[in-house]
This record gives sequence, C-alpha cells and structure tokens, in this order.
Amino acid sequence: EDQVTQSPEALRLQEGESSSLNCSYTVSGLRGLFWYRQDPGKGPEFLFTLYSAGEEKEKERLKATLTKKESFLHITAPKPEDSATYLCAGVSGGSYIPTFGRGTSLIVHP
Amino acid sequence: KAGVTQTPRYLIKTRGQQVTLSCSPISGHRSVSWYQQTPGQGLQFLFEYFSETQRNKGNFPGRFSGRQFSNSRSEMNVSTLELGDSALYLCASSNGAGGYNEQFFGPGTRLTVL
Repeated sequence: EDQVTQSPEALRLQEGESSSLNCSYTVSGLRGLFWYRQDPGKGPEFLFTLYSAGEEKEKERLKATLTKKESFLHITAPKPEDSATYLCAGVSGGSYIPTFGRGTSLIVHP
Repeated sequence: KAGVTQTPRYLIKTRGQQVTLSCSPISGHRSVSWYQQTPGQGLQFLFEYFSETQRNKGNFPGRFSGRQFSNSRSEMNVSTLELGDSALYLCASSNGAGGYNEQFFGPGTRLTVL
C-alpha cells in the first residue's frame, strides 16, 4: 500500500527563520512527487512536481528536493504570507492515483 | 482564465439523504478528479474522469459515484448519506492524466451531514 508521511505536523517560525518540511514516501514505482499549498477555506494550490531523485525546483522562497525515499520543502527567510498548510503527494506508476500526506501546518510570525 | 468552480459551496443534509455536487473544470481541461478531505484522514482520492470515462477509482464504497459530461463538467453523487460523509469535497482539473500532471483545485463543497 502506498504511503506518504509528512513531518512535522505543525511548525511555527519567526519571520526570516529558515526551515525544512519533510515528506517521506513509500510509493511503488513513483512517477511524480507533488507539493501543494493550501490556505484555510481554499483548495490546494500547485507548487512543484519532482520526477526523479536528485531533482530540485525553486520558486521564490521555496525549494523542493527529491531523494529515493523522501522530499524536502525548504523555506528560506519565510514571511507571514507563507503561512499555510503544505501538502505533498506521491503518484504511483501502477495506479496513477495520487496519495497525499496529512500536511504540515506552517505559521510564520512577524 | 477562469479557475475551477464548484457548486454549491456549502450543503447541509441529513442521514439517509443523497446529494449531488457539481464541478466545472478549467476550459480545455479534460481530466476531473474528486477528493474527500477530512481532519482525520486528510485528502483522499475518490475518482478521476477523462473524456466522460472513469479512469481511476479510489477505495470508497459504491455510494459514491460520479460522471462527466461532454463539456468536461463533472458531478459526484453520494447516496444514503452517513455522518462520516461530512467533509470538504474537492474537485481538481488537469490538462492530462490527473495523477501525472499538476492539478488545479476548486474551492470545495463543504458537506455537513446531520
């Protein structure tokens, strides 16, 4: 059974305090690892897709990396507007069905 | 470009009733996926439709069903509602296979079952 586990469940940071969110996965024949951001009362918003170990992608203060067992979302010098729940999802090559983690709730204090 | 729209946004039903939720994907997107989001289980895949055909189905009982129309709009139906069906139901559209491509989510329909 495919599994995706995110840690920590919740993270509080001061503005400017960099940190990383973890997404470990057990997905057969991983075809893609997705990161989404979800604000309260809204649907998830796509951030990144990573397809192979060693791949990295960046967008503003966010950088996503992928290894054979886990993915990291690095947040550099976060701002209060980065506060949100960050979700990762692994897609199995066999089922084409995304398996989502429970998410990390990030709060950035000014 | 208009985003994914879902109607209604909020719904209150009682146990045993049935409900139909609607989703209009981004223009040109042929794949529509449905998800259930709850605090306890997180985001769980229900099913995906592509060109009016169900392409994938998650591990949910047969009370959950869906369909897609020729204009790519999709509906999902839940029959014989149970208290545990209370959740945020999200629809997502994509340009290709939903699982492989970035998905654009709607705001969701908040269903409360009393």
